[in-house]
Amino acid sequence: QVTLRESGPALVKPTETLTLTCTFSGFSLSTNGMCVTWIRQPPGKALEWLARIDWDDDKYYSTSMKTRLTISKDTSKNQVVLTMANMDPVDTATYYCARIDAAAGLKFDSWGQGTLVTVSS
Amino acid sequence: DIVMTQTPLSSPVTLGQPASISCRSSHSLVNSDGNTYLSWLQQRPGQPPRLLIYKISHRFSGVPDRFSGSGAGTDFTLEISRVEAEDVGVYYCFQATQFPHTFGPGTKVDI
Repeated sequence: QVTLRESGPALVKPTETLTLTCTFSGFSLSTNGMCVTWIRQPPGKALEWLARIDWDDDKYYSTSMKTRLTISKDTSKNQVVLTMANMDPVDTATYYCARIDAAAGLKFDSWGQGTLVTVSS
Repeated sequence: DIVMTQTPLSSPVTLGQPASISCRSSHSLVNSDGNTYLSWLQQRPGQPPRLLIYKISHRFSGVPDRFSGSGAGTDFTLEISRVEAEDVGVYYCFQATQFPHTFGPGTKVDI
C-alpha cells in the first residue's frame, strides 16, 4: 500500500524559507519510473503544480516559482524535501505531495492528505 | 506554459442524470512518445484530490464505470453517466505531457 505524508511548519513569517518533507512508503524512489511531485492549493482556489523529482534525480519546476523552489530526495529515508524561499502571504496554501508512476502512464495515483501552511507575521 | 481551460466552471446537476465537463489545452497534449498525458482528478469537499482518469480515457483502479474520459489533441471531456450524491466536488483536468505540468481551473459539481 502506497502512502505519503507531508510535514512542515504550519506557520511561517514573510521572507522566511519554507521546508516541507514528504515521507512515503510502499514504493522506492530508486525504482525506474517512480516520481514524487508537489502541488499546492490556496484556500478556496485551484490546484497549482510546483515541482517534480524523478527516480533518476531529474528535477522540474513551475515556471513562475522556479527561482524560489528546490526539490531533493533522500532515497534511504523515503523522503522528498521541497524548499520555498522568500515566503509571502500569497503562498498560504495546503501543500500536497503525490506519487507519479511514470512507467504506467504518468499516473498521479497516490496523494498525501496535505499540510496547511500559513504565511503571516 | 500550456494553459488548461475548463467549461463550465460550475455545474449544477440532478441525481441520476448525466454530466459533462470539457477541458481544452492551449497546445496539443500529444507527447513525443505518442501518448497523451491528460488526467482528470476529483476533489471532494475537505479531501485531497484523487485520480479518476489518466491518459485521456483510462479509468484508475476503483473508479466507478459511470466516469469516462474522451478526447484528443487539445479537446477533452469527462462524462458522468448518472450522477450520484458522492460525486459532488471539484473536478480538475491536468496535463503531464509537457513541463511545467498544469491544471485546469476546476469545475464545481453540485446537486
